[in-house]
Parts: sequence; structure tokens; C-alpha cells
Amino acid sequence: AQTVTQSQPEMSVQEAETVTLSCTYDTSESDYYLFWYKQPPSRQMILVIRQEAYKQQNATENRFSVNFQKAAKSFSLKISDSQLGDAAMYFCARLDTGTASKLTFGTGTRLQVTL
Amino acid sequence: NAGVTQTPKFRILKIGQSMTLQCTQDMNHNYMYWYRQDPGMGLKLIYYSVGAGITDKGEVPNGYNVSRSTTEDFPLRLELAAPSQTSVYFCASSFSPRNYGYTFGSGTRLTVV
Repeated sequence: AQTVTQSQPEMSVQEAETVTLSCTYDTSESDYYLFWYKQPPSRQMILVIRQEAYKQQNATENRFSVNFQKAAKSFSLKISDSQLGDAAMYFCARLDTGTASKLTFGTGTRLQVTL
Repeated sequence: NAGVTQTPKFRILKIGQSMTLQCTQDMNHNYMYWYRQDPGMGLKLIYYSVGAGITDKGEVPNGYNVSRSTTEDFPLRLELAAPSQTSVYFCASSFSPRNYGYTFGSGTRLTVV
């Protein structure tokens, strides 16, 4: 099975500091897409950022950016200037570009933000 | 714009009972998906559909069934509920997964006792 691995079950960061969440994945495809989703206590899944595998440039969305290392199959999420509202579960996911366009998720990293 | 609507939000079932989890979207999305989320396990794909009349199994389909008679609706049927089906269930839809990812519903927490 082609997997997505998040090796950090929990992380903690102080408000206003920067934190990086790790993700590695396995795939035999050359064309694929990677995503980070946020799940706050409300349970709602919220798209944070998206990366196209064929683009070398790392994606950025305001305080969120990724470090995409295609050869290493690594896709980490960096959160800058952390805020209390960033506290949530974060899931890394890989989209296979076959007909079904299925997302495969990692097991998640719980991020705590402290004062 | 309601997005993806799941009902009910919570349900307790007895072993052996059956129920249908409802999912509807008003965005005219062709792609629809059902996932279950267990603690520490991430989300696992149960069934998916790429358009009305087309469904297929995901990673963990046993004990479930789906139908897709319209673009809007994608109900998930649980037959003969078992404790192993205690989970949070998410429905998701997309117009173009590679460009926009999925839009998720708010989930249904199901407990089988």
C-alpha cells in the first residue's frame, strides 16, 4: 500500500513562534498532488495548503508554507507566527491522479499552541 | 451555499441494527467520498463515486454499501452494525480534486453498543 507517514503524534509551539510538521509519503506516480488539512476541535476538515508535485516552487498561503522535497518524498508544513487558533490536528494527504482521485491521509499531528 | 451536509451529527446504534448516513451537496460536484476516522488512524476511504450511477470500493468497504442515484446525494448504508463500526464518518465532495482538494461535511459520530 502506498502510505503517508506523519511521525510526530503531537507537537507544541509557543504563540508567535514557528513550528514545522513533518510528512513523508510513498508513491510510484510521477504526477500527484499533496495537501495539508487542519481539523480543529469542531471536527471540520479545512484545507490549509496544496502542492503540485511537478512544481519545484514551494507553496505558500499567508503564515503557512511547505518544504517539498520530491526526491526524498518529504512534504513538511511550516506555520509562522503561531496563533492560538492554529491549535488543531493537522493531516498530510496525497492525491492519486487516477480516475478516482483518491486522497490518502496520514495519521495526523496534534498541535498545541501555548501562551 | 450549504456545501456538504451530513445527517445525523450523532447516533447510537445497537449491534445488529441498520442505518443510513445521509450526505448531500449543492455544488454540482461529480466526485464524492466516504471516509471513516478512528483515533490515531487518520481517515480511511470506504467508498467513492465519480458521478451519478458510478460507485466503487475504497480501502475499508466491508459492512457498508452506497448508492449514487443523483449528483447531489451519496448515502452510506450500514447493515448489521458492529462495534468495529464505531467511528466518525466524513462525507466529502469535489469538482476538481487535483485543483481544489475535497470539501468535507462536518461528520457523523456513530457509536455501536
